[in-house]
Amino acid sequence: AQSVSQHNHHVILSEAASLELGCNYSYGGTVNLFWYVQYPGQHLQLLLKYFSGDPLVKGIKGFEAEFIKSKFSFNLRKPSVQWSDTAEYFCAVNKNTGNQFYFGTGTSLTVIP
Amino acid sequence: DTGVSQNPRHKITKRGQNVTFRCDPISEHNRLYWYRQTLGQGPEFLTYFQNEAQLEKSRLLSDRFSAERPKGSFSTLEIQRTEQGDSAMYLCASSFDSLQPQHFGDGTRLSIL
Repeated sequence: AQSVSQHNHHVILSEAASLELGCNYSYGGTVNLFWYVQYPGQHLQLLLKYFSGDPLVKGIKGFEAEFIKSKFSFNLRKPSVQWSDTAEYFCAVNKNTGNQFYFGTGTSLTVIP
Repeated sequence: DTGVSQNPRHKITKRGQNVTFRCDPISEHNRLYWYRQTLGQGPEFLTYFQNEAQLEKSRLLSDRFSAERPKGSFSTLEIQRTEQGDSAMYLCASSFDSLQPQHFGDGTRLSIL
């Protein structure tokens, strides 16, 4: 079965620290990849997406993610986090041939001022 | 863009009762998705509409669940004979097509007494 793994369940960082959140998926075919963010009290919002082309994608608010096909990974990075980045982060995968989206269990990020 | 609207925001009901949730997608969006999210988990895909046609249903969607999108605009999700395990956040999302990101609503939180 299709699955998406986010190994970091809860991450605590100080402001200005660098961030990397892991995401691995199990499907072997062509996939579309997404990172969504949910700020406290708000709905899920798209951070960035990968469909094809350059495996390094840049999203909003200084986030980026790298698709490594050989590792089935799509890790999220930010060089310097801010307190306002405190949120829940979800990785999602959509098979190119289907319409179902599979989400990871999420990573809760707390940034300490 | 007024966003995806879901009503009610919170529903409390007794076990065995029927409940119905409504989702109003962004007006020009053809695709509409329903997800269920429980504590500590990411959203789980339930079903998907392309205009008024329900094209995919997850195995999670038991016979007690039914969804409609009669005129290709708003959608309803009904749960009959609710059970304790149905307690969750029910999320609706819409998108213009498969290549565009999904826009999520704030969700309806269902609590079964």
